[in-house]
Amino acid sequence: KQEVTQIPAALSVPEGENLVLNCSFTDSAIYNLQWFRQDPGKGLTSLLLIQSSQREQTSGRLNASLDKSSGRSTLYIAASQPGDSATYLCAVARETGANSKLTFGKGITLSVRP
Amino acid sequence: DTGVSQDPRHKITKRGQNVTFRCDPISEHNRLYWYRQTLGQGPEFLTYFQNEAQLEKSRLLSDRFSAERPKGSFSTLEIQRTEQGDSAMYLCASSRGQSSYEQYFGPGTRLTVT
Repeated sequence: KQEVTQIPAALSVPEGENLVLNCSFTDSAIYNLQWFRQDPGKGLTSLLLIQSSQREQTSGRLNASLDKSSGRSTLYIAASQPGDSATYLCAVARETGANSKLTFGKGITLSVRP
Repeated sequence: DTGVSQDPRHKITKRGQNVTFRCDPISEHNRLYWYRQTLGQGPEFLTYFQNEAQLEKSRLLSDRFSAERPKGSFSTLEIQRTEQGDSAMYLCASSRGQSSYEQYFGPGTRLTVT
């Protein structure tokens, strides 16, 4: 059974700092990995998707990397801003694309202090 | 551009009542997923449709839960005889049935059972 872990559960940083959020998963037979952002009481916004054959994806100040064999992904946020404060979740889709249901971690709640 | 929509956004009901939620996916997406998220946890998979066919159900989906997608477009999730443990955010997601299978989430329906 796939398990996804995100540690720490919460993180507080000053504005402007570069930071790395970590995600690990137990079964390397994944189809893709998605990073999401969730604001309190809201739905999920997709940030980046990395296919299992890719090593990284970039969007603006965000960069996500994937090491499938070791079961790890990182989300790098450059020059953090107070508006980045949210919960960040990573999720993996199992290898068979027939049902690419996602298995989620519990998320990392990020607070960026002005 | 219309994303995934869900209705209602909030529902308060008394224990023992039946509730029904609706999800409208992105129009060209043939895959539709339901997830449930409780406080402090990541979303957990409930069920999956490809077009109108319900192809997988989680063991979390007890016999009090039923989901339909009658014409392969919108979907409904019904909970009968609600229990306090059903209180959660119910999230719907959709994806294309090809290539990346990236999932796009709706804003969720927050259910409170009193």
